Amino acid sequence: AQSVAQPEDQVNVAEGNPLTVKCTYSVSGNPYLFWYVQYPNRGLQFLLKYITGDNLVKGSYGFEAEFNKSQTSFHLKKPSALVSDSALYFCAVRDGTGRTALIFGKGTTLSVSS
Amino acid sequence: KAGVTQTPRYLIKTRGQQVTLSCSPISGHRSVSWYQQTPGQGLQFLFEYFSETQRNKGNFPGRFSGRQFSNSRSEMNVSTLELGDSALYLCASSFGTGGSSYEQYFGPGTRLTVT
Repeated sequence: AQSVAQPEDQVNVAEGNPLTVKCTYSVSGNPYLFWYVQYPNRGLQFLLKYITGDNLVKGSYGFEAEFNKSQTSFHLKKPSALVSDSALYFCAVRDGTGRTALIFGKGTTLSVSS
Repeated sequence: KAGVTQTPRYLIKTRGQQVTLSCSPISGHRSVSWYQQTPGQGLQFLFEYFSETQRNKGNFPGRFSGRQFSNSRSEMNVSTLELGDSALYLCASSFGTGGSSYEQYFGPGTRLTVT
């Protein structure tokens, strides 16, 4: 069965510093990988995805993620954090057949201090 | 393009009652998925529909059911409500179910409180 792990419940960074939110996955075959962000009392917003191609994926709001097949990881990164990036971040995976549901990690709260 | 809409946004029900939540996907999207979000369990998958057919179902009891109409709008129903059903119910739509067409767009959710 497919699964997603976000090992950190919370990540704290200072504004202007680089940030990384970690995600590892388990899936049969090729994975489809996604990152979403959720602000308080809002639905999830799509940030970026990896389907195939370049391992470094660029997304919205300056975020990027690196797909590492050997480590089964898809960490979210941003070179310079903003206070407004503070939110709940979810990693999600689906197998490449398209026949399974999208499974989400537990989420990581990112807190950026000024 | 209008986003995913969910109605109602907030709902308070009593244990034992039943509830129906509605979701209207983005125009042109044919796939709708439902999720339950709680602080303790995170985001849990309920159902996925494509062209009125249920494609996937999560590990929830039979009290949870759903359907999709020919216009892609979807409803989910929870019967015999329990306190543990209190949650944010999120609907997401996508154009298709495979590859790059599977990018999901979420609605704002329906906050269900069971007392």
